[in-house]
Amino acid sequence: EADIYQTPRYLVIGTGKKITLECSQTMGHDKMYWYQQDPGMELHLIHYSYGVNSTEKGDLSSESTVSRIRTEHFPLTLESARPSHTSQYLCASRKEQETQYFGPGTRLLVL
Amino acid sequence: QKEVEQDPGPLSVPEGAIVSLNCTYSNSAFQYFMWYRQYSRKGPELLMYTYSSGNKEDGRFTAQVDKSSKYISLFIRDSQPSDSATYLCAMGRGAQKLVFGQGTRLTINP
Repeated sequence: EADIYQTPRYLVIGTGKKITLECSQTMGHDKMYWYQQDPGMELHLIHYSYGVNSTEKGDLSSESTVSRIRTEHFPLTLESARPSHTSQYLCASRKEQETQYFGPGTRLLVL
Repeated sequence: QKEVEQDPGPLSVPEGAIVSLNCTYSNSAFQYFMWYRQYSRKGPELLMYTYSSGNKEDGRFTAQVDKSSKYISLFIRDSQPSDSATYLCAMGRGAQKLVFGQGTRLTINP
């Protein structure tokens, strides 16, 4: 079983609020990823990190930002939430060419 | 054209049937291949990981990789209603980020 955690699991928030989605893993993986996935749709990579102090934008443009100050922690922040940000956000991690593990996801609803 | 193509389905089969899920890809440099299962409103969970051409079996699941044809498959034997989910293929090269298929939605009817 993968040791990767996301909080909160569900979040309902009003437009304009600042939110941070937490992701942590205890496997010592260097590589971490954030994906956005709408119901029934494919995964879209929005951010990734290859290690501490390394962050890159993914294939899908996103207004969110990320940071990687510690190996085990990769939070995602939205400075001003909008209804268009409503989605499921999935965090993942892996080590080199090994398998990639996903967290349980955060379902975000912006009113 | 996408690097990885996967028929999104939906695919509906009766319980006990053999299910075949497939992905094709265009990048011959891909070295390793994975299959994930994703239940509704959950994160994907890893089912199979293969590093080379050939077959790999785990219980009712068999993953098949044909690098010469750039084609991978996942077979599910004796399918169960609990196998109803979306199945995602993924592939990678070296330390580069994985490329995922669109996912195939599968329903097993009791």
